[in-house]
Amino acid sequence: AQTVTQSQPEMSVQEAETVTLSCTYDTSESNYYLFWYKQPPSRQMILVIRQEAYKQQNATENRFSVNFQKAAKSFSLKISDSQLGDTAMYFCAFMKHGNSGGSNYKLTFGKGTLLTVNP
Amino acid sequence: DAGVIQSPRHEVTEMGQEVTLRCKPISGHNSLFWYRQTMMRGLELLIYFNNNVPIDDSGMPEDRFSAKMPNASFSTLKIQPSEPRDSAVYFCASSLARRGGQHFGDGTRLSIL
Repeated sequence: AQTVTQSQPEMSVQEAETVTLSCTYDTSESNYYLFWYKQPPSRQMILVIRQEAYKQQNATENRFSVNFQKAAKSFSLKISDSQLGDTAMYFCAFMKHGNSGGSNYKLTFGKGTLLTVNP
Repeated sequence: DAGVIQSPRHEVTEMGQEVTLRCKPISGHNSLFWYRQTMMRGLELLIYFNNNVPIDDSGMPEDRFSAKMPNASFSTLKIQPSEPRDSAVYFCASSLARRGGQHFGDGTRLSIL
């Protein structure tokens, strides 16, 4: 079974600064996906960024980027130029790569990191 | 494009009543997931479907919970009879299987009195 660990229950950052959220995972799979989701106070779950394990290049989406270290099983999220709207709970998630039978598309979530961006 | 649509947005009902939550996945997505989120237990996967077929229902808490997906554009999660401990936010999500990246609806906040 896969596990996802987010060791920082809460973090805070000043507006316009950079913050990094940590995530580690444990798996025996060699091919998989990793995700970061954002849940603001409105409670929506928003997909922020996605990384495929076979790709060495770190994924980037505007101000959001990841540092994917496959050997260390680490998948941190960096938010640059933090904005007040980035205040949210952030969840790291793991998914096995689907096989031809199409039965392995479950996400395993970490417990989340509550990020507060201060003005 | 319309996202995942859930209804109702909020539901308040008395213990013992039947509750039905509804979900319309994103058109073209072939996997659908039901989650429950509480402060105590976080986000839990209840059941998921692939091509309308239930693949894994090991997260369904007990026989009071049931889920159906009669076609590719509609799914229901039913609780009968409901209990106060079922109070939670219930999310539906859909994905295009192999691509991963589930897209979530806005959730239903369920309160059982």
